[in-house]
Amino acid sequence: EAGVAQSPRYKIIEKRQSVAFWCNPISGHATLYWYQQILGQGPKLLIQFQNNGVVDDSQLPKDRFSAERLKGVDSTLKIQPAKLEDSAVYLCASSRTGRLNEKLFFGSGTQLSVL
Amino acid sequence: DQQVKQNSPSLSVQEGRISILNCDYTNSMFDYFLWYKKYPAEGPTFLISISSIKDKNEDGRFTVFLNKSAKHLSLHIVPSQPGDSAVYFCLFSAGGTSYGKLTFGQGTILTVHP
Repeated sequence: EAGVAQSPRYKIIEKRQSVAFWCNPISGHATLYWYQQILGQGPKLLIQFQNNGVVDDSQLPKDRFSAERLKGVDSTLKIQPAKLEDSAVYLCASSRTGRLNEKLFFGSGTQLSVL
Repeated sequence: DQQVKQNSPSLSVQEGRISILNCDYTNSMFDYFLWYKKYPAEGPTFLISISSIKDKNEDGRFTVFLNKSAKHLSLHIVPSQPGDSAVYFCLFSAGGTSYGKLTFGQGTILTVHP
């Protein structure tokens, strides 16, 4: 079974530039999450999708961050414009239906450095 | 408002000995608890979980203990193996049936020496 795929693996940009990350969840997984992990901290949920609908985006900085999952499969997370404090690992995760009795699978993440 | 605290940023253990990782929490609404481990350059992977109606759950070498009165969660690995060297995260879910409201601990780097 293929895992959660994320790209790019690393990205270095200057502040005020734009950047986009891509995630392809495990086939058949309806629920998709984007997490932000700042160095030394645990991952923090940015947004949760159920199929192509947003379930929770309460912690997404909507003035600069956006995410979409148009066909209910893969998803993109965009930052425009980036700030220094956006430097972090961005993790994508998926689960079959989102219920706690199922496993949550994570991708390897995209490491973003904003200079 | 830090609801979860993994007090030890790192832990070093000899192969064959017990590894004990700890998390403390303040939110009494947490009712489902998980441990994930993360190897370098990989995403976190599920290890073991426990619901608030239990105080212990075992899976092979891994045992999770929940002390609700003390709001304390721990993971025991016995015996520890070098392949267990990784970052361990405790995760907490509050009042829901989905993963969306998970709160992560800060992570503990476990190193098991041969």
